[in-house]
Amino acid sequence: DTEVTQTPKHLVMGMTNKKSLKCEQHMGHRAMYWYKQKAKKPPELMFVYSYEKLSINESVPSRFSPECPNSSLLNLHLHALQPEDSALYLCASSQDRGGAQPQHFGDGTRLSIL
Amino acid sequence: AQSVTQLDSHVSVSEGTPVLLRCNYSSSYSPSLFWYVQHPNKGLQLLLKYTSAATLVKGINGFEAEFKKSETSFHLTKPSAHMSDAAEYFCVVRRDTGNQFYFGTGTSLTVIP
Repeated sequence: DTEVTQTPKHLVMGMTNKKSLKCEQHMGHRAMYWYKQKAKKPPELMFVYSYEKLSINESVPSRFSPECPNSSLLNLHLHALQPEDSALYLCASSQDRGGAQPQHFGDGTRLSIL
Repeated sequence: AQSVTQLDSHVSVSEGTPVLLRCNYSSSYSPSLFWYVQHPNKGLQLLLKYTSAATLVKGINGFEAEFKKSETSFHLTKPSAHMSDAAEYFCVVRRDTGNQFYFGTGTSLTVIP
């Protein structure tokens, strides 16, 4: 069982919809990440939060809006997405600036844009 | 600067034969290195990690990897492939400061019955 929980597992939305992806971890990690993954490709970093503050934004379009309400939760708000945004969205967490410590991943949300 | 190169995009082995997945890295500092496995429609699962305590690292499901500084390599091996090993494998390096992780392009492992 994964220690990082993502909901929903699947999401289908139209280009005018607003939806949110949620991620939760209870490992005490203070760094949390959003990745986008296309088929047969490595995850692409979108955002990094460190101690609930946004520390890295990899030039992600504003139709993706991250939020970190507390140390255990991470949201990704979606609005006016494009068909090319269809992908697997992965959340991960790790010890902040933890040197040798790895990331822990959730199972992702499979997003389809109609 | 950090980067990771996975030398094979696809590897195919017969069930019961050894597995070798190759990874080379470049890092300005002593790296932390990881191997992850991803099964279809799943997240990435940590197989093993190198943290400078030992150059031969044992992981889950019979996998192991050897850190070779002189060759800047961290190849993943398994003595005997199982059908359930068929998946995508990623080699990852972590910068020793900050929260940046660098992914290789992945190796797709096929296991032939």
